[in-house]
Amino acid sequence: EPEVTQTPSHQVTQMGQEVILRCVPISNHLYFYWYRQILGQKVEFLVSFYNNEISEKSEIFDDQFSVERPDGSNFTLKIRSTKLEDSAMYFCASSALAGLDEQFFGPGTRLTVL
Amino acid sequence: AQSVTQLGSHVSVSEGALVLLRCNYSSSVPPYLFWYVQYPNQGLQLLLKYTTGATLVKGINGFEAEFKKSETSFHLTKPSAHMSDAAEYFCAVSPRTGNQFYFGTGTSLTVIP
Repeated sequence: EPEVTQTPSHQVTQMGQEVILRCVPISNHLYFYWYRQILGQKVEFLVSFYNNEISEKSEIFDDQFSVERPDGSNFTLKIRSTKLEDSAMYFCASSALAGLDEQFFGPGTRLTVL
Repeated sequence: AQSVTQLGSHVSVSEGALVLLRCNYSSSVPPYLFWYVQYPNQGLQLLLKYTTGATLVKGINGFEAEFKKSETSFHLTKPSAHMSDAAEYFCAVSPRTGNQFYFGTGTSLTVIP
């Protein structure tokens, strides 16, 4: 069964460093998403991506964040200068369609900023 | 703006007992509604969804949920809990325009043998 994969499973970084979180969405999906979940809090939407551009983003997704689909399979989230408050679980998701279609989630990357 | 409320961050039931996890949404237009389950160290897995049509939807693992527009609710139920149902459950809504999901804070289900 096709699945979304994410690497690494756990990333530890120093405050101020850049990190890149990687995701491989399901191959025939067209919509890609990043969410984050701070420990003990709800899953929050960061950004959606379609046709090689951002289609929606939340207030959380400021200039420190960027997304890219560098090739036909990977979808990346970059945080330019990490802050302590960026520590969270980051989930990638993909869907074939928008809106009513199921989003398939990866297992997440736990980011710890020291 | 959309919001989702899940009453009860922790729910404990005995094995074989009814499971009821509550979800209410706030939206001027009924959104699309989803329940996801998260097992330890895994991603979110879709249990069921409501988009249109029959308001009682059946999902995987014996779960079902009923959309009640008058109550703006989408509660998740299962007649008989199994030990393997222990997990975190998230209710989510998607507006009929746009494609982001709004999640509730989650309910952790414990099943007591």
